[in-house]
Amino acid sequence: AQSVTQLGSHVSVSEGALVLLRCNYSSSVPPYLFWYVQYPNQGLQLLLKYTTGATLVKGINGFEAEFKKSETSFHLTKPSAHMSDAAEYFCAVTKGRAAGNKLTFGGGTRVLVKP
Amino acid sequence: KAGVTQTPRYLIKTRGQQVTLSCSPISGHRSVSWYQQTPGQGLQFLFEYFSETQRNKGNFPGRFSGRQFSNSRSEMNVSTLELGDSALYLCASSSRDRTNEKLFFGSGTQLSVL
Repeated sequence: AQSVTQLGSHVSVSEGALVLLRCNYSSSVPPYLFWYVQYPNQGLQLLLKYTTGATLVKGINGFEAEFKKSETSFHLTKPSAHMSDAAEYFCAVTKGRAAGNKLTFGGGTRVLVKP
Repeated sequence: KAGVTQTPRYLIKTRGQQVTLSCSPISGHRSVSWYQQTPGQGLQFLFEYFSETQRNKGNFPGRFSGRQFSNSRSEMNVSTLELGDSALYLCASSSRDRTNEKLFFGSGTQLSVL
């Protein structure tokens, strides 16, 4: 079974500062990993995903994440926070190379951006 | 291209009633999955349909059911509603039923059970 742990349910950053959201996973098989963002009163939107290949993945809106198998981590970063980054972020995992779109989500991290 | 459409947007029901939620996927998408989002339990997978067949099911009681029609539209039904069923129900679609697929989410149906 897969599981995802996101450290910190709330993160506060200043505008222009580094955004770092932590995600650790547990999986019995090679995982596929995702970061989704949810803006208020909206559904989720994919930021980026890791399936195979390069372990540093670049996504939309300047975000990137690095898959570290030895640390079972997939932390999300953005060098410079913008006010529009205020949202809730979810890390998710699926079984790699399996059928179906069953995502297991972490508990989410709500990001507050201070001016 | 229109996104994933969920109706209704808000719903208020009382305990013991049943409810049906609807999801229209992006045109051409054949996979539809459903998630329940609550403050306490977070996002939990309910079920997934592909070409009218249920492919995966989460750990929810039998009161939760779903189906998919030949046009890929999907419905989920919850019978004998309980207070704990109050949640945001999200539908997501993708073109294939592969685990590396990008899911496109609707804005959800907010269900309140009184």
